Amino acid sequence: AQTVTQSQPEMSVQEAETVTLSCTYDTSESDYYLFWYKQPPSRQMILVIRQEAYKQQNATENRFSVNFQKAAKSFSLKISDSQLGDAAMYFCAYRSGSSGGSNYKLTFGKGTLLTVNP
Amino acid sequence: KAGVTQTPRYLIKTRGQQVTLSCSPISGHRSVSWYQQTPGQGLQFLFEYFSETQRNKGNFPGRFSGRQFSNSRSEMNVSTLELGDSALYLCASSQLGGNNSPLHFGNGTRLTVT
Repeated sequence: AQTVTQSQPEMSVQEAETVTLSCTYDTSESDYYLFWYKQPPSRQMILVIRQEAYKQQNATENRFSVNFQKAAKSFSLKISDSQLGDAAMYFCAYRSGSSGGSNYKLTFGKGTLLTVNP
Repeated sequence: KAGVTQTPRYLIKTRGQQVTLSCSPISGHRSVSWYQQTPGQGLQFLFEYFSETQRNKGNFPGRFSGRQFSNSRSEMNVSTLELGDSALYLCASSQLGGNNSPLHFGNGTRLTVT
């Protein structure tokens, strides 16, 4: 079974600065997808960024980028120019790329609570 | 386009009772999945439905069940509630499920069992 580990329960960053959230995963599969989700106090999970394992290029979405190290099974999220609205719980998630039932579920890490200080 | 709608937002039940939670997916989405979120266990997959068929189920006891209707709306039911069932239950929809269909989550139903 796949596991996802987020070793930082809490992180804080000053507004306008850069912060990196860590995520490692364990899998024997070669085809999979990785995600970062954000959950603000409103409780709604919002997709921040997604990475296909077969792509070597790191995904980028505006101020959000990832450092995907497939051999090390590491998938960190970098938030540049942090804003007050970035404050939330961030979850790293894994989805199998194989066909069948395992393709239809996400395995989440325990989350990292990010605080942005003005 | 309306997002994923979960009802009710909050629910308080007594141990031993049963509860039904509802999820209306985004229009056109045929896959609905459910997750349980607790402080101790984090987010755990419950089950996923597509065109009224359950395609995958997580490691939860048989007290947890779900179904999907022909209009893609889904319900999950928990019978004989236990204190440990207190959680935020999140529903997510996607067009097809699988990797090319991003998940869209609702705001969840907060269930408290006393």
